[in-house]
Amino acid sequence: GNSVTQMEGPVTLSEEAFLTINCTYTATGYPSLFWYVQYPGEGLQLLLKATKADDKGSNKGFEATYRKETTSFHLEKGSVQVSDSAVYFCALSYGGSQGNLIFGKGTKLSVKP
Amino acid sequence: SAVISQKPSRDICQRGTSLTIQCQVDSQVTMMFWYRQQPGQSLTLIATANQGSEATYESGFVIDKFPISRPNLTFSTLTVSNMSPEDSSIYLCSVTGPLEQYFGPGTRLTVT
Repeated sequence: GNSVTQMEGPVTLSEEAFLTINCTYTATGYPSLFWYVQYPGEGLQLLLKATKADDKGSNKGFEATYRKETTSFHLEKGSVQVSDSAVYFCALSYGGSQGNLIFGKGTKLSVKP
Repeated sequence: SAVISQKPSRDICQRGTSLTIQCQVDSQVTMMFWYRQQPGQSLTLIATANQGSEATYESGFVIDKFPISRPNLTFSTLTVSNMSPEDSSIYLCSVTGPLEQYFGPGTRLTVT
């Protein structure tokens, strides 16, 4: 079946450090891929997405590239800030925004000043 | 975008009781979704609720345990019935927008 696996947390970094959160997926066909973020006390928000192979999603300094050959969608940011502290979820969907989202377990990121 | 509110934000309940969670959206939407996030687990879709029809439940979830109402295009409720400690989770409401899905802040339920 379809599934998403992302690296276990928590991840603790110092401000301005480089961030990578690994995400791999198992799916038939060509799903859309998403990263959602949940800041403390808030709902899930879409961070970025990619709908086909080799697409790069980007937002707020975060990037992720849809790699079909490695079935991966790793999240990266060159220089994290304290305000990036949150839980990050990788997800896939076959219906774009209309479809059922399948989520990874989430990775908690804490950034220290 | 859509702004979603949920009530209550958290609750502690005794086993055997039921809790109804409310979800309010600031715009009319066709489809509303209910997700569950068990401790240390990913989000799992419980059911899809369309106004004017019965909710569609995912495998492993049944109407008797999680009855859902959808009286209009901006509101839905999810009831967790006859609760047990295994129902301790965060329950999230979600709606579909033109480009993405929007999520409420969640209801953190603890069953003792």
